[in-house]
Amino acid sequence: AQSVTQLGSHVSVSEGALVLLRCNYSSSVPPYLFWYVQYPNQGLQLLLKYTSAATLVKGINGFEAEFKKSETSFHLTKPSAHMSDAAEYFCAVLNNAGNMLTFGGGTRLMVKP
Amino acid sequence: EAGVAQSPRYKIIEKRQSVAFWCNPISGHATLYWYQQILGQGPKLLIQFQNNGVVDDSQLPKDRFSAERLKGVDSTLKIQPAKLEDSAVYLCASSLLAGEDEQFFGPGTRLTVL
Repeated sequence: AQSVTQLGSHVSVSEGALVLLRCNYSSSVPPYLFWYVQYPNQGLQLLLKYTSAATLVKGINGFEAEFKKSETSFHLTKPSAHMSDAAEYFCAVLNNAGNMLTFGGGTRLMVKP
Repeated sequence: EAGVAQSPRYKIIEKRQSVAFWCNPISGHATLYWYQQILGQGPKLLIQFQNNGVVDDSQLPKDRFSAERLKGVDSTLKIQPAKLEDSAVYLCASSLLAGEDEQFFGPGTRLTVL
């Protein structure tokens, strides 16, 4: 069964600093991987997804993620954090049957002025 | 384009009471999902519909939870009777098709069971 581990339930960065949110997955087949963002009292919004095309995936709001098979990782990055990036971020993997997303526990990003 | 609508946004009940949540997906989306998100955790899929048929309900506690999607559009999720551990946000999502298609999420219903 697929699973996702997000290292660090809380990450704090200064405005303008690099954002790095970590995600490791386990899957017996090439996975489909996703990053979602959740702002307070809102539903989840898709940031980006990996579907076995380019290993570097660009998403909305300046975020990108790199799929590294050898490390079973799909870390999310952004070169320069904005205050508006403060939110909870979830990594997810699609199961083999292609019908179920399994989410990680989430990482809360805090941005300091 | 209107997003996924859910109601109510908040609900407080006592244990052993019943509660129902409603979801209206994006028009034309064949697939509808219900997730349970416990505080501090990622969403967990409860049930997935394709049109008005159930695709996966393996993680739905069927002794107390039920869901339906009549006519393949709106859906309701019911809990009867509720337990303290059911306190969570219940998220509805929809997608055009299943698989790697983007899921669009509603704002959720926050349930508190006292």
